Amino acid sequence: SQTIHQWPATLVQPVGSPLSLECTVEGTSNPNLYWYRQAAGRGLQLLFYSVGIGQISSEVPQNLSASRPQDRQFILSSKKLLLSDSGFYLCAWSRRYEQYFGPGTRLTVT
Amino acid sequence: QQQVKQSPQSLIVQKGGISIINCAYENTAFDYFPWYQQFPGKGPALLIAIRPDVSEKKEGRFTISFNKSAKQFSLHIMDSQPGDSATYFCAAPRETGANNLFFGTGTRLTVIP
Repeated sequence: SQTIHQWPATLVQPVGSPLSLECTVEGTSNPNLYWYRQAAGRGLQLLFYSVGIGQISSEVPQNLSASRPQDRQFILSSKKLLLSDSGFYLCAWSRRYEQYFGPGTRLTVT
Repeated sequence: QQQVKQSPQSLIVQKGGISIINCAYENTAFDYFPWYQQFPGKGPALLIAIRPDVSEKKEGRFTISFNKSAKQFSLHIMDSQPGDSATYFCAAPRETGANNLFFGTGTRLTVIP
């Protein structure tokens, strides 16, 4: 069976600090991978998606970036966090149109 | 712009009642409509999905109804239970490919004991 992991589970970072969130998927190969952000009580905003190693598509221009160094690894990064970067970050993988989400990372920028 | 409109934003139902959440879409790449259930602090979980060859799909107490001509689909939760209290999202395939989904804005369901 497939499993998706995200870490850390929670993170508190000061404004201007760097960010690195990691997502890994087990039990499948060559999945499409996604990063979403969810503001408190809000919907899901697609940030990045990837159809293969090194292939990243950005949905929303911002100070975040994503990388896919391995087939089942997806990383979300920032060089300098903003207050507006606070939120619940979700990684997902898909098989056809069925997307499966990870447990999420709660990021608070102070 | 392609989007999915979901209503209501919030819903309060008595235990044992029927919860109904509606979604309307514009254009999709493919007729596949999933519903996700999200509990506080957790990632959304795929609850049920419908494909174009049927107009209704039932799994336990959860039923999706699909009206292709009206471009609408809905989730019905029969015999709603307090454990069903969660936020529900509908989704539809985007035309951008890569199996991307367009998500509705979510419905917060509260089932009162």
